Amino acid sequence: AQKVTQAQTEISVVEKEDVTLDCVYETRDTTYYLFWYKQPPSGELVFLIRRNSFDEQNEISGRYSWNFQKSTSSFNFTITASQVVDSAVYFCALSEYSNSGYALNFGKGTSLLVTP
Amino acid sequence: DAGVTQSPTHLIKTRGQHVTLRCSPISGHKSVSWYQQVLGQGPQFIFQYYEKEERGRGNFPDRFSARQFPNYSSELNVNALLLGDSALYLCASSYDLDSADTQYFGPGTRLTVL
Repeated sequence: AQKVTQAQTEISVVEKEDVTLDCVYETRDTTYYLFWYKQPPSGELVFLIRRNSFDEQNEISGRYSWNFQKSTSSFNFTITASQVVDSAVYFCALSEYSNSGYALNFGKGTSLLVTP
Repeated sequence: DAGVTQSPTHLIKTRGQHVTLRCSPISGHKSVSWYQQVLGQGPQFIFQYYEKEERGRGNFPDRFSARQFPNYSSELNVNALLLGDSALYLCASSYDLDSADTQYFGPGTRLTVL
């Protein structure tokens, strides 16, 4: 069963537009961690943020902000005033303990294209 | 500080061959995990090692094996390669073995099986 769902496969915006990437997760644990990673064309996954299940405070880092809502099991990511350099595939991931260890369960990713 | 390094960058093999991929974690990190990412999909967990012991295994056949060395570097081995093994293989390291630990990824090894 898919534990992390990123329903948006591809998003295309014009530079300076705001864009929100959706992430919905599924878990039975009360303690878990959520992550966002960015994968530029080079292929390397770049860590963006980690959020634990007990901290529902929204977080802002520059043009990036994250909205975590346990009630809807969502952890959405917003880029304000998008730039061409933001073009990449973005992955949401859930970390919880299972018989597979502390594996990251990734969504299928959202491909963001920012055009000038 | 150096990040996670992986070698080789690219690899081309034929069906039935064997391949070994290598990973060096961030200095001080004791846990290494391996993921397979096929085109258009998110990474899929293969193995997790901590202090040289296997601590987790994903849903992959026995053709896949791995090990971690005393210096915490790791190798992923794949035997009897199939066309479907063509993918980007990502190594990630974390300081400890805990769901709270952030996993930092290397640049990956792109394997093509012909």
